[in-house]
Amino acid sequence: EAQVTQNPRYLITVTGKKLTVTCSQNMNHEYMSWYRQDPGLGLRQIYYSMNVEVTDKGDVPEGYKVSRKEKRNFPLILESPSPNQTSLYFCASSFNRDRETQYFGPGTRLLVL
Amino acid sequence: DAKTTQPPSMDCAEGRAANLPCNHSTISGNEYVYWYRQIHSQGPQYIIHGLKNNETNEMASLIITEDRKSSTLILPHATLRDTAVYYCIVRVSYNFNKFYFGSGTKLNVKP
Repeated sequence: EAQVTQNPRYLITVTGKKLTVTCSQNMNHEYMSWYRQDPGLGLRQIYYSMNVEVTDKGDVPEGYKVSRKEKRNFPLILESPSPNQTSLYFCASSFNRDRETQYFGPGTRLLVL
Repeated sequence: DAKTTQPPSMDCAEGRAANLPCNHSTISGNEYVYWYRQIHSQGPQYIIHGLKNNETNEMASLIITEDRKSSTLILPHATLRDTAVYYCIVRVSYNFNKFYFGSGTKLNVKP
């Protein structure tokens, strides 16, 4: 089944404890992206990657890192999480071609205490 | 900058057509109109997209005005499972990172 998977789906952590949220897609998509969703602010893009080893900042990249060493994986890293990073996170992927739509993962709900 | 304007909420009776409007008065000639929906807190789900012609698929129809400044998503026979937030997005076809979701319209389908 074609899908985007994220792990973990739920995470409670404490300020400053490094964490990684994994994202994987099995559709051979070149483009992958991370979003966060907060009440009243909608979905905002954090980072995106056009292909392996090519990443760039979205609208709200502060406090996050990403890497794209393989085509299928695009982990989101929080080196020192803070409470303002408590949010619902979505990974998405698509082919890097005209008119292609994005496919979203199920989401990761993060609480930073 | 979402570049789209949608009503915050709408109600629809089950079995009736749901018509969700979207205003995108500043759309450029090479920008597509996309519609996604998000059920509760699940990942957004693609519905349909178009450039200037009306489009139809198994989920919905998309009607784009001739001047392309507005569009309407039509769910022909709404069910309770169609209750969701519907997002209208305009996006340049080759610029994948410019994908702004905006606030969307909460569609409430009622029995």
